Amino acid sequence: GAGVSQTPSNKVTEKGKYVELRCDPISGHTALYWYRQSLGQGPEFLIYFQGTGAADDSGLPNDRFFAVRPEGSVSTLKIQRTERGDSAVYLCASSRSTGAGNTIYFGEGSWLTVV
Amino acid sequence: SQQGEEDPQALSIQEGENATMNCSYKTSINNLQWYRQNSGRGLVHLILIRSNEREKHSGRLRVTLDTSKKSSSLLITASRAADTASYFCADYTGANSKLTFGKGITLSVRP
Repeated sequence: GAGVSQTPSNKVTEKGKYVELRCDPISGHTALYWYRQSLGQGPEFLIYFQGTGAADDSGLPNDRFFAVRPEGSVSTLKIQRTERGDSAVYLCASSRSTGAGNTIYFGEGSWLTVV
Repeated sequence: SQQGEEDPQALSIQEGENATMNCSYKTSINNLQWYRQNSGRGLVHLILIRSNEREKHSGRLRVTLDTSKKSSSLLITASRAADTASYFCADYTGANSKLTFGKGITLSVRP
């Protein structure tokens, strides 16, 4: 596609439920990133994939959060036993590769509200 | 954790004026990227400046980078009401291949 696509754009879920957020990167981009943004803050890094493998998952806040990218393209961020503090915009981004000239493109985000 | 700081945190100007936003970062970088975010929307990439570059232009945007001071500035010339948004700088370090963002600057351009 033309840009990074994220679904759903909005998700309201009850505390304790399981949620999946999907990201479809720009075609041909090998690097994929997940960020989380709370109101009034800048995006915070969660996890980075290079191809199918998670190269850096140091930003995942706890073991309720997990992400996969099984075929090196689409990625799913999974949140178990959601808590109200998980409410945020979850942003996905992709880039062609890594390096000094590496432009990283973001999607529109998935707004998650846990009630 | 957030890497750098943007300055000012909020800026209000009249349409037609220039807007200057500053950003500082803490570690060595490969590049620094500026993004715009309209309320409730995703991040739009504006410009990338590499660590070996000092200045870059794109349309009404001018970005400078001073690696000795670990700082960057974004200048928007002849601002328009449509430039109203939040602006973020993000530094990219090749060692860990990820962007680290500041808290952003809220720009309001009054028509």
